[in-house]
Amino acid sequence: DAGVIQSPRHEVTEMGQEVTLRCKPISGHNSLFWYRQTMMRGLELLIYFNNNVPIDDSGMPEDRFSAKMPNASFSTLKIQPSEPRDSAVYFCASNRGARGSGNTIYFGEGSWLTVV
Amino acid sequence: SQKIEQNSEALNIQEGKTATLTCNYTNYSPAYLQWYRQDPGRGPVFLLLIRENEKEKRKERLKVTFDTTLKQSLFHITASQPADSATYLCALAMNTGFQKLVFGTGTRLLVSP
Repeated sequence: DAGVIQSPRHEVTEMGQEVTLRCKPISGHNSLFWYRQTMMRGLELLIYFNNNVPIDDSGMPEDRFSAKMPNASFSTLKIQPSEPRDSAVYFCASNRGARGSGNTIYFGEGSWLTVV
Repeated sequence: SQKIEQNSEALNIQEGKTATLTCNYTNYSPAYLQWYRQDPGRGPVFLLLIRENEKEKRKERLKVTFDTTLKQSLFHITASQPADSATYLCALAMNTGFQKLVFGTGTRLLVSP
């Protein structure tokens, strides 16, 4: 079975440019999560969707960040304009979204973003 | 303020010994706690889940304890192997918003042959 698929795996971009990260969740999973990982702050939840609807975006750092999930098999995280402090590893994750079940979260391999 | 604390210093142990990692939290009321393993350059991988009404959970060489009074979870790897070397993350899910997992910063484990 294919896991969570993210692209690109690595991206180096100049400050001010738009960055789009893409994610394909595991088929049949109803919930999708975007996390950001840095050495200083660890793994932070940015936003999560349930049945393609954003449920909690309180972790999105600022208006430069936006996320969409147009259908059950695709999501994007966009940063516009990008800044050097956005450099981090961005993980997409998914699960079945069964409330109260303590469902495991399955992570992708991450998108390593460097903004210079 | 709310905090999840894991030892930021790497834990170095000899092969065959038991590794014990600690996760302490403050100002959270988790419904359950999960442990993940993360290898360099990879995403975290789920290992074990323990609920608030459970004291202990085991899976092969892994054991997790959960003390809601002390607000602490211990993660044990018995008969450790060099292949167990990785960063281990604990994560809490609350009684409200089950989907919102909050992660600790992780502890790096190094098992020497």
